[in-house]
Amino acid sequence: GQNIDQPTEMTATEGAIVQINCTYQTSGFNGLFWYQQHAGEAPTFLSYNVLDGLEEKGRFSSFLSRSKGYSYLLLKELQMKDSASYLCAALIKAAGNKLTFGGGTRVLVKP
Amino acid sequence: EAGVVQSPRYKIIEKKQPVAFWCNPISGHNTLYWYLQNLGQGPELLIRYENEEAVDDSQLPKDRFSAERLKGVDSTLKIQPAELGDSAVYLCASSSKTSSGELFFGEGSRLTVL
Repeated sequence: GQNIDQPTEMTATEGAIVQINCTYQTSGFNGLFWYQQHAGEAPTFLSYNVLDGLEEKGRFSSFLSRSKGYSYLLLKELQMKDSASYLCAALIKAAGNKLTFGGGTRVLVKP
Repeated sequence: EAGVVQSPRYKIIEKKQPVAFWCNPISGHNTLYWYLQNLGQGPELLIRYENEEAVDDSQLPKDRFSAERLKGVDSTLKIQPAELGDSAVYLCASSSKTSSGELFFGEGSRLTVL
């Protein structure tokens, strides 16, 4: 089966850094996505890692270790608008590509 | 370019009533997904279409849920009869073969069953 774990909730201060960890146990792994979802809105794409290493995109970075089944999303210089849920999702190569999501991590940014 | 369009945004029905949700994917996207999202949880796949063919419907409760994508473009998800536990957000998403698996989501249809 597929298993994706991430913390339920994290709190951080405006201007600080937060790291959201995600571990996965899947067969047919073909890459790791991070999505952001504000309350009541659609998930939106943040990052995609298929190879090991760090991908940096502005204030957001994502890391992948395929051998460890581990990824993290790093949010730097936190802003109030970063308060949202962050969804880790594994791309599974099964009859085409299938995206399986973790439960999401709700990040609350405080002033 | 228009995004994924879903309707209705909100629907309130009584249990045992039928309900239908509609989705129009991004033009040219051949893959269409229906996900269910309960409050505070991640999306769970219900069904995935490649053009008009349902290639993964293993998580669809077929006793009450049905879906179709007759012409390989827009899609309808139906629940009949609805139960209290079906209250959730139903998300539609689409992707293309060139998008490396990235999904583009609609804003969802929030269902409340009373």
